[in-house]
Amino acid sequence: QKEVEQDPGPLSVPEGAIVSLNCTYSNSAFQYFMWYRQYSRKGPELLMYTYSSGNKEDGRFTAQVDKSSKYISLFIRDSQPSDSATYLCAMSLFTGGGNKLTFGTGTQLKVEL
Amino acid sequence: AAGVIQSPRHLIKEKRETATLKCYPIPRHDTVYWYQQGPGQDPQFLISFYEKMQSDKGSIPDRFSAQQFSDYHSELNMSSLELGDSALYFCASSLGGAISEAFFGQGTRLTVV
Repeated sequence: QKEVEQDPGPLSVPEGAIVSLNCTYSNSAFQYFMWYRQYSRKGPELLMYTYSSGNKEDGRFTAQVDKSSKYISLFIRDSQPSDSATYLCAMSLFTGGGNKLTFGTGTQLKVEL
Repeated sequence: AAGVIQSPRHLIKEKRETATLKCYPIPRHDTVYWYQQGPGQDPQFLISFYEKMQSDKGSIPDRFSAQQFSDYHSELNMSSLELGDSALYFCASSLGGAISEAFFGQGTRLTVV
């Protein structure tokens, strides 16, 4: 069983819809929770990160963490065709001096006109 | 703003050959991470360096080696290449081992034929 599980999709929504992307994890020691966006053949782009339970908002994006349920979500409001990409959740521990990210498998999102 | 630079962007090698991938981190970043992403897969952590010392090791084959130089750039050396090594190789950098704020390069696409 993977430490981080993510629904691979694909997920197709109309423009303007609210998108909910979700990950679950099994390692309760994870401290940092990130969301990356990856366009085809490009490197992952950091969207948001958080380290505490609750919500964090940045423009149209809201990251939500529920440590008690080991569940994180990314909400995208007023979705745009330019949001079409693969969204990867990632988590890490901090033990000092460089640590690995553990990624979910990514959810492929398509926002249609 | 300067980003993580990887070279080459594309590389084609034959089986059993050797390849060297280079990564130039964001200026002042002292931590470098290497990831391998197979087709349709999530990025898998290979190895990381902090202040020119190896800081963490993941699923890196013994045929691969890496180092971080005095100017903080890093090189991933891959020998005895196999068909299964064909993948996107990403480098990411951060400051002070803050994996939560790691920025990825555009990747090197390695094809082994």
